[in-house]
Amino acid sequence: DAGVIQSPRHEVTEMGQEVTLRCKPISGHNSLFWYRQTMMRGLELLIYFNNNVPIDDSGMPEDRFSAKMPNASFSTLKIQPSEPRDSAVYFCASSRDSDNSPLHFGNGTRLTVT
Amino acid sequence: GENVEQHPSTLSVQEGDSAVIKCTYSDSASNYFPWYKQELGKGPQLIIDIRSNVGEKKDQRIAVTLNKTAKHFSLHITETQPEDSAVYFCAVSGYSTLTFGKGTMLLVSP
Repeated sequence: DAGVIQSPRHEVTEMGQEVTLRCKPISGHNSLFWYRQTMMRGLELLIYFNNNVPIDDSGMPEDRFSAKMPNASFSTLKIQPSEPRDSAVYFCASSRDSDNSPLHFGNGTRLTVT
Repeated sequence: GENVEQHPSTLSVQEGDSAVIKCTYSDSASNYFPWYKQELGKGPQLIIDIRSNVGEKKDQRIAVTLNKTAKHFSLHITETQPEDSAVYFCAVSGYSTLTFGKGTMLLVSP
């Protein structure tokens, strides 16, 4: 089991640029989650998918953020245009189901927007 | 929505001592209570979880206790070792997604 795979591990970009974060969930898991982690706000759920369908995107901070899951093995989180306050660690996680199943996290993407 | 409070924010212990981290939650319908350990540069990893029909669960040096009436649950680590040093998060869910506490940084000194 390779675990949840995220890329890139680190991303440094300038304000105004587009950023795309990528995630490959664990095979066989039906639910995929995008979280953002900062010192001030801790772990925040941005959006989650069940069977590739977005279920709850109420945590997406602004229209600049968008997420897709074109198939069961791939998801992207896009920020366009990026701003310095978007700097954070972004985690992808997957689970067998969306209700009370253990989450398996990737190792995150550390995003720095200058 | 669910509100989860976690204490303390930092905890320093000597190797071999016990460590206790506590969380309270607001939604009485919550029924799943996992704990995650996050090491530097890595994602959170599930270490133990408990469901509402159980009051206590133990796995080697780690145990979790749940008091549904008081709406709080705790993580207990006995015989702490330096490799236990990490950030620990509690989380709560009912019929929706997990809400995480703000984390406790545990430092175990040799």
